[in-house]
Amino acid sequence: EVKLVQSGAEVKEPGDSLKISCKGTGYDFSNNWIGWVRQTPGKGFEWIGIIFPGHSETRYSPSFKGHVTITADRSFSTTYLHWTSLQASDSALYFCARRRGLDTGTFYFYLDVWGQGTAVTV
Amino acid sequence: SYVLTQPPSVSVAPGETARITCGGDNIGNKNVNWYQQKPGQAPVVVVHDDGDRPSGIPERFSGSNSRNTATLTVSGVEAGDEADYYCQIWDGSSDQYVFGPGTQVIVL
Repeated sequence: EVKLVQSGAEVKEPGDSLKISCKGTGYDFSNNWIGWVRQTPGKGFEWIGIIFPGHSETRYSPSFKGHVTITADRSFSTTYLHWTSLQASDSALYFCARRRGLDTGTFYFYLDVWGQGTAVTV
Repeated sequence: SYVLTQPPSVSVAPGETARITCGGDNIGNKNVNWYQQKPGQAPVVVVHDDGDRPSGIPERFSGSNSRNTATLTVSGVEAGDEADYYCQIWDGSSDQYVFGPGTQVIVL
């Protein structure tokens, strides 16, 4: 079974650093893109960015570039989302999700598997 | 940036058909994905690439996309279909995903 399991809820102070994680199991972790999405009551879903763990190529939404960093550790099949200085506006529910990718000769871009979400309160 | 619009809510009686629209400029030229999210849960894709269903998703869920409107249709609505539904597109030029604001489906 393909699964993404995220780290637990966090409560932080403004200015704190934070790293949350997303571990993939049941599939070829290195060769599938993993994205991060933020959900808030006010703004709904917002795209943060995506990483290809095989070579750590990363692409960010302009809205988040420079404020968060996405990394991956293939040895642990885990991707991370981290902040060096949190702001109150970072309070949200964060999801990781796998891009479907290549399937029977076709490359699909929808997000087929999601983590359970990590709540961050600043 | 690309903007998607959805009605805030749709109400439907059990057994009837719910149609959830997603508006966007020439959205018919893009592939639209639909996600269902129930309270306290992660989203689940119910339709991808306009009208394809992942395995395990009932045939009651179908999608279409033309010109400026994509539509998710849920036939024979059941109480368990009560959820928020989000449309989404992928912008290939920037490798970004854009989500609609979501539609709450209320089963009467």
